[in-house]
Order: sequence, then C-alpha cells, then structure tokens
Amino acid sequence: DIVLTQSPGTLSLSPGERATLSCRASQSVSSNYLAWYQQKPGQAPRLLIYGASSRATGIPDRFSGSGSGTDFTLTISRLEPEDFAVYYCQQYATSLTFGGGTKVEI
Amino acid sequence: QVQLVQSGAEVKEPGASVKVSCKASGYTFSSYGISWVRQAPGQGLEWMGWISPYNGKTSYVQNFQGRITMTTDTSTTTAYMELRSLRSDDTAVYYCGRDKSTSWYYFDYWGQGTLVTVSS
Repeated sequence: DIVLTQSPGTLSLSPGERATLSCRASQSVSSNYLAWYQQKPGQAPRLLIYGASSRATGIPDRFSGSGSGTDFTLTISRLEPEDFAVYYCQQYATSLTFGGGTKVEI
Repeated sequence: QVQLVQSGAEVKEPGASVKVSCKASGYTFSSYGISWVRQAPGQGLEWMGWISPYNGKTSYVQNFQGRITMTTDTSTTTAYMELRSLRSDDTAVYYCGRDKSTSWYYFDYWGQGTLVTVSS
C-alpha cells in the first residue's frame, strides 16, 4: 500500500495568513490520483481537491492543490475563521489510503 | 440535492455483528459507487471497501476480509455495511461516501456518520 505522510502534524496560524500543508507518498502516485479533505469536529469530511489540483464543486478559490509523483501540497491562500480544521490527503492510485492529517489551529 | 443519510448509533458486545445503512437520494443511485470509511475516536480515516450498486461488485480492504459484507438495495437506494465478530478496536464512526461507479476514487458526498461502540 502507498503510505501517505502529512506534515506538519499541527499548523498554528492566524486568520489572513497563508497555510501550506504537505503530503508525501511512499511511492509515486500515478495519474496524480490524490485528493484533499477538510474535517471539522463532529462532522464528516468534505472534499476539497481531487486529481491533485482540481477544486471540488463549491470550494472557494483560496484552496489550491499542487504537486505530482510523491510530493503534494494543499495551500490555503488566506485563512478564514472557518478554515481551522483537520486536513487529510488521500490517494486512489493503488488501492486507497489516507494520510494521518494536519490540524490547522489558531 | 445529493444526500446520504445513515442509520443511528449502535452499541454492540464483542463478537456481535453490526449492519449500518446509508440511504441515498438526489442522484441516480446505480450510476455511482459507495465506499465505507471509518474513524476511531481521535484517529484518522480508514477506508474499508467499495461497492458498485450497478452490478454489486465489491472490493474489501484485506484487513476486513472475511468479516465484512457490503450490499445495496437499488429498490430503496440504500447501501449496507455489515461487520461481524466485532472487537473493541472496531469502536469508531462509520461513514459512507459517494464514489465512482467503476472503481474507488474519491468521495464527493458523505453520510453524517454512524457511531458504533463495541463494549461488554
């Protein structure tokens, strides 16, 4: 299975700042089959990005995804108060696995 | 609008079975797959497997092989996930997610989650 390692574990930022979240795969993720989700306490995850860089329906353009091969990044250009949450990456190139998550906190 | 509505919380004893349902609406049920994902308390997400309502094809994660069965009922647009021989480490919130019809990809809609507690 492809192991996804997310860093940092926790990111402490303020509203208006830029957030850069990393997801590193143990082997190449073919066809950039990588997605990102946001999860808030007590809620189901929400799809943000698929195909490494395509925004899901209704996702604000302050969220962007990039990367290829084994290194992927989720960037939130200017943090809004509602963006403080846990973010997970997920690959679907070889079976399906999730990263361990990055918590973005104030 | 697309909705996935799951059944309510369950408390089970070790060794028992649980069957969680996921009622889909707002889209053509047989045109999309359903995946199941669980999340233990305070932990990350774990994919359990996928089913195609179109032809009943399934794919289960090896860790659950022999203990899990996913089914669908197209007449009621409902997906089911049954997990048997429950252990305390099966305590988790179980989610269904709408997936692709041909294979597992990513999940654009999720159910609200079903808490399954395994305790004697």
